[in-house]
Amino acid sequence: DAMVIQNPRYQVTQFGKPVTLSCSQTLNHNVMYWYQQKSSQAPKLLFHYYDKDFNNEADTPDNFQSRRPNTSFCFLDIRSPGLGDAAMYLCASRRGGGNEQFFGPGTRLTVL
Amino acid sequence: ELKVEQNPLFLSMQEGKNYTIYCNYSTTSDRLYWYRQDPGKSLESLFVLLSNGAVKQEGRLMASLDTKARLSTLHITAAVHDLSATYFCAVAALYSGGGADGLTFGKGTHLIIQP
Repeated sequence: DAMVIQNPRYQVTQFGKPVTLSCSQTLNHNVMYWYQQKSSQAPKLLFHYYDKDFNNEADTPDNFQSRRPNTSFCFLDIRSPGLGDAAMYLCASRRGGGNEQFFGPGTRLTVL
Repeated sequence: ELKVEQNPLFLSMQEGKNYTIYCNYSTTSDRLYWYRQDPGKSLESLFVLLSNGAVKQEGRLMASLDTKARLSTLHITAAVHDLSATYFCAVAALYSGGGADGLTFGKGTHLIIQP
């Protein structure tokens, strides 16, 4: 089935140790998004790609970077995770011109 | 800056009752979404509303959109325990030249339905 896949589902890292979260989609969608959702809060958009065009939200910390090597894959790199970066990270995709975003199952990041 | 306000943020109700969740947003938008989220899980899409006056229903849930009032509602009819979850509305900024726009979410309504 076509879908949005996130790996790993659970990630534990140490304070300051770089970590990469992975997202892939088999939907051949042009647009991919990364959202951060902290405990008991709403999801917050970090950045998105339209094809290879990268769009960073103004308040996304510099500590967060993203890569999209091809249509299917998108990565979230956290260069020096802090305790405040512990959250659920949600990846989503959308067909260009379409209306619906399809969300992956999320990666829950714990920072020790 | 697009702002999305939901109310109530917390709702405890009994099975069999009806209730409405409200979602107000601050700027013109052409897309309004409702999602359900169970604890520790991702977002499940419920409704996508694309035009003024749009109404969609699925089971005991019905969503509507009034773009002039910048208001969407999610109505629950004869609630059952299985509907207990957190419900988010989200708004996408108006398209500009077909560019990609992420969603701005309300704070969510934590719904508990008691037997």
